[in-house]
Amino acid sequence: TQLLEQSPQFLSIQEGENLTVYCNSSSVFSSLQWYRQEPGEGPVLLVTVVTGGEVKKLKRLTFQFGDARKDSSLHITAAQPGDTGLYLCAGVSMGSNYKLTFGKGTLLTVNP
Amino acid sequence: KAGVTQTPRYLIKTRGQQVTLSCSPISGHRSVSWYQQTPGQGLQFLFEYFSETQRNKGNFPGRFSGRQFSNSRSEMNVSTLELGDSALYLCASSLDNIGVEQFFGPGTRLTVL
Repeated sequence: TQLLEQSPQFLSIQEGENLTVYCNSSSVFSSLQWYRQEPGEGPVLLVTVVTGGEVKKLKRLTFQFGDARKDSSLHITAAQPGDTGLYLCAGVSMGSNYKLTFGKGTLLTVNP
Repeated sequence: KAGVTQTPRYLIKTRGQQVTLSCSPISGHRSVSWYQQTPGQGLQFLFEYFSETQRNKGNFPGRFSGRQFSNSRSEMNVSTLELGDSALYLCASSLDNIGVEQFFGPGTRLTVL
């Protein structure tokens, strides 16, 4: 069974601070996705990283895929209250595009 | 373009009953996946359908089943409900497979008493 471990599980910070969320596995994934989920809604895809070592930037969010394609990180610069939510990473299994394995998520609260 | 819709949004059942949840994917999307989300286990993959065929299945008991219709709409059924089946059930659609962008619905909140 492929597992994705996310850390930290909970994070509460003040507006303007920087933070990093981690997603680690002992398994190799063909690609990895990051989602944000707000209360009462389904997850919304933020980014997909495919190549080992890849770095993608989305405004204040920076996503990195590890060289070995087993881990990823999400860095937020100057966090804002609107960034509050549950951040989920999900790995697409090697050899199959039909199954996503999700981490349990990092619940981020940004206080004004 | 309308997003993924799920009905009902909330459902309360008692142990032993069965339940059917419905999902309408985005127009043109042929892949529909189902997930169970609980605080303890997070998001867990149930199954994925493409063109009315189940392509992959997660590690859930046979009480959980699904199907997809010719218009890509999908239903999932849970029989003989247990307290532990209380969860948010999410449906996601994509054009052809999970490796590309998935769009999630708002979910159905199932409570089993």
